[in-house]
Amino acid sequence: EDQVTQSPEALRLQEGESSSLNCSYTVSGLRGLFWYRQDPGKGPEFLFTLYSAGEEKEKERLKATLTKKESFLHITAPKPEDSATYLCAVQARLGGSGNTGKLIFGQGTTLQVKP
Amino acid sequence: DVKVTQSSRYLVKRTGEKVFLECVQDMDHENMFWYRQDPGLGLRLIYFSYDVKMKEKGDIPEGYSVSREKKERFSLILESASTNQTSMYLCASSPHGLVGGEQYFGPGTRLTVT
Repeated sequence: EDQVTQSPEALRLQEGESSSLNCSYTVSGLRGLFWYRQDPGKGPEFLFTLYSAGEEKEKERLKATLTKKESFLHITAPKPEDSATYLCAVQARLGGSGNTGKLIFGQGTTLQVKP
Repeated sequence: DVKVTQSSRYLVKRTGEKVFLECVQDMDHENMFWYRQDPGLGLRLIYFSYDVKMKEKGDIPEGYSVSREKKERFSLILESASTNQTSMYLCASSPHGLVGGEQYFGPGTRLTVT
């Protein structure tokens, strides 16, 4: 069964204290792995897509990396405005029944950055 | 920029009422999705559509139906609202048809059924 597990569930950092969020996945052939940011009471905001092991994407203080079993979202020198829930999702390759662009989401990591 | 809009940010309905949630996207995307999000349960897919007049059941379709008469619009219908349908409802769209890819979400509708 395709599955996504994110850790930790919650993370508290001091401003400037770098860290990483983990997304472990099992999927029958990975087509893409996606990272989202979600602020309280709002819809998820798309951040990155990663397609193959070894790929990296960067945006401001965020860098996403991908291996064959997991992805990391590295946050360098975070600021309070980086506080949010970060969601990871995977899409399996076409070929299985019912696979028509569906994403499988993890439960998310809630990040709090204190000034 | 991709824009997905939802008809209401907050909605309060009574048990047994018929509820319509509307979603519109302005980027000519082929796929559209309806999710609900609850604390501790994460995002759960209700229905999706990869073409006009096409629909597919997601993981939790019971108690819901959908309509897609135009490419840009995807409606979620609660035929007879119940208190266990109190939730945050999120609409999303993605551009790549059966290939899928990243999804872009609307702001969400917080539905309370009393």
